[in-house]
Amino acid sequence: QVHLVESGGGVVQPGGSLRVSCEASGFAFSSHSMHWVRQAPGKGLEWVAVIQNDGRNEFYADSVKGRFTISRDNSKSTLYLQMDTLRTEDTAVYYCAKEGGTGWSCFDNWGQGTLVTVTS
Amino acid sequence: QSALTQPASVSGSPGQSLTISCTGTSSDIGGYDFVSWYQQHPGRAPKLIIYAVRNRPSGVSNRFSGSKSGNTASLTISGLQAEDEADYYCNSYRRTHTHGVIFGGGTKLTVL
Repeated sequence: QVHLVESGGGVVQPGGSLRVSCEASGFAFSSHSMHWVRQAPGKGLEWVAVIQNDGRNEFYADSVKGRFTISRDNSKSTLYLQMDTLRTEDTAVYYCAKEGGTGWSCFDNWGQGTLVTVTS
Repeated sequence: QSALTQPASVSGSPGQSLTISCTGTSSDIGGYDFVSWYQQHPGRAPKLIIYAVRNRPSGVSNRFSGSKSGNTASLTISGLQAEDEADYYCNSYRRTHTHGVIFGGGTKLTVL
C-alpha cells in the first residue's frame, strides 16, 4: 500500500526559508517521478514542481521558479522541497504526489499535506 | 500561468447525471491526452478519479466517466449520490516554454 507522509511545515517570516519532506513507502520510489502541489487556504490546487525518477530533470511553476528547489534521495525514498525567499502568497498546504504510469498529470497517490504559513 | 477554466459550482439531485467541463488551450488539453480529474472532500487530500482523459483507476465507481473534445475535457457523474458532494479539479500537462502541469480552478458539486 502506497504511503506518502509530508513533514516540515510551520510558520516562517516573509523572506525566510523552509524545507518540507515527503517520506514514501509501499512502492518503487526510484521508478516514479514525484510532484509537489499546493493549496492555499480556501483556494484551488496549484502545481508547484516535478522531479523525474532519477533526479536528472526538474520543472517548476513560474510562480516558484528561482525560489524553490525540488530534490529527492532515492536511497531514503524521500522527496524534498526547499523553499527560499518565501512570500505571504506561498502560504498553503503542500502535498507530495506520486506520478502514475501514464505520466505527467496523473497523480495517483497523495500525502496528507503539510501546512506552511508565511507571516510576519 | 492561467488555470484551466471550470464552472465554479454545479448542483444536481440524487440519481441525476451531470457534467463538469474543463477548458484549456492547444498547449494543454487540446494538444495532449494527459488530462486527469480529482475529487476532494473538505479537509482531505485529493483523490484521482479519471486519468488519461477517460480511464478510471481501480476502485473508482463506474459512475464517473471522462471525455475530451478539442480544448475541452469533461467529467460526467451519473446516478448522483450524496457522497459525490465535493470539489472536483481537472489537470493537464502543459507545454509552453517549458514543461509543466496546470490545474483547473475547481468546481464545487452540491447534491440537492
